[in-house]
Amino acid sequence: DADVTQTPRNRITKTGKRIMLECSQTKGHDRMYWYRQDPGLGLRLIYYSFDVKDINKGEISDGYSVSRQAQAKFSLSLESAIPNQTALYFCATSGPLWSFGPGTRLTVL
Amino acid sequence: SQQGEEDPQALSIQEGENATMNCSYKTSINNLQWYRQNSGRGLVHLILIRSNEREKHSGRLRVTLDTSKKSSSLLITASRAADTASYFCATAPIGANSKLTFGKGITLSVRP
Repeated sequence: DADVTQTPRNRITKTGKRIMLECSQTKGHDRMYWYRQDPGLGLRLIYYSFDVKDINKGEISDGYSVSRQAQAKFSLSLESAIPNQTALYFCATSGPLWSFGPGTRLTVL
Repeated sequence: SQQGEEDPQALSIQEGENATMNCSYKTSINNLQWYRQNSGRGLVHLILIRSNEREKHSGRLRVTLDTSKKSSSLLITASRAADTASYFCATAPIGANSKLTFGKGITLSVRP
């Protein structure tokens, strides 16, 4: 089984819809992250969490929110999706080596 | 803003040749990491080099780090078609070493 899993793997939604991306890990790491990847821009950090009670904004947090439900679970929400949030989203953990999930491809129409 | 800048943006070589990719960064770092990504899929961690290290090897990979020039290089020797992928450098800046900042990536094509 994969150490970091993401659900869904693919999602198509419409402008204005609320959507949640979920991440689970079995690494036992305290630190979890959400990144977004756009073509030609590499990965950019959206939010990160160092433990259940610690949530921090990253480089591009506007339009997103997160919830750390447990050490192993970190979810990313788009309260009202817009087309420029169409991207590939990655969850990651560190402790200290890093592990990345397989990614969620999100399309906002 | 992105910390790392890879060079070149794209590289095409023949199978068996060596591939050299470069990364420059802006601020002082704790470590630098290289990742591979196959065609929009997940990221695979290749190698980590700490700021007090100058060179590291892993199989056909050789990474160098020059902190005075704020640059790193990734060498893949005897390339294979399966090495075709995008390669990213990521830095863990001092004072924020629990966050990774990625470059835009290099697209490597290895022709059979």
